[in-house]
Amino acid sequence: AQRVTQPEKLLSVFKGAPVELKCNYSYSGSPELFWYVQYSRQRLQLLLRHISRESIKGFTADLNKGETSFHLKKPFAQEEDSAMYYCALRLIYEKLVFGKGTKLTVNP
Amino acid sequence: EAGVAQSPRYKIIEKRQSVAFWCNPISGHATLYWYQQILGQGPKLLIQFQNNGVVDDSQLPKDRFSAERLKGVDSTLKIQPAKLEDSAVYLCASSLGGAPQYFGPGTRLLVL
Repeated sequence: AQRVTQPEKLLSVFKGAPVELKCNYSYSGSPELFWYVQYSRQRLQLLLRHISRESIKGFTADLNKGETSFHLKKPFAQEEDSAMYYCALRLIYEKLVFGKGTKLTVNP
Repeated sequence: EAGVAQSPRYKIIEKRQSVAFWCNPISGHATLYWYQQILGQGPKLLIQFQNNGVVDDSQLPKDRFSAERLKGVDSTLKIQPAKLEDSAVYLCASSLGGAPQYFGPGTRLLVL
C-alpha cells in the first residue's frame, strides 16, 4: 500500500529564513502528489499539486522520483505561513492518502 | 462565500448512542468525500461519492457507519452505535473531480 511520510511533526523557523517541509512516499509508480494547508481556525485547503508545477504563496514543490520525495519549499518564510501542512498522494483511480502533517511555526 | 457547509460543528455523545452529520457541497460539485481525522493524524477517507454513487468506501466501518447522498447533492454520515475511538473531526470535501479541493469546517465529535 502506498504510504506518505512527513518526518517532522514540528518545524520552527525565523521570519525571512528558508523553509523546507519534507515529504517522502513509498510507491514505485507515477503518483499524483499534493500539499494541503490548514491555517489556525480555518479550513483545510489545497495548496498545490505537482502536475501544475506552480508556485502558490511563494511555495514550490518538486517531485523527485529518484528519491521518492515531494518536499515543500519557500525561500523566505513569513509569519502568516505558520500552519499545519499535509502532504498527500494519489494513484490513478485510487483514494488520496494523507501524511500525518507538519506544524510549521514562523517566529518573528 | 459559498463553500462546503457542515453541521453540527460540535457533538458530544455517550458510547453506544447514534449520531448523524450533514454536508452540503459546493453547487455543481459531483464528487463528495467524507474524511475522519483523529487527533495527530492526517485525514483518512471514509467514503467518496460521484454524484449519488459510491466510488470508494473501502475504509468505512460498515458495521457501524453509513452514508448516503440522495439526489447527488447533500450527504449524511451516520454512526450507530458510536465507540470511544470514533472521537475525531469529520470532514466533508467536494470537487469537480480529481483530488478533494474544498473542505468544510468539520464536525468535532467526542464520544464519552
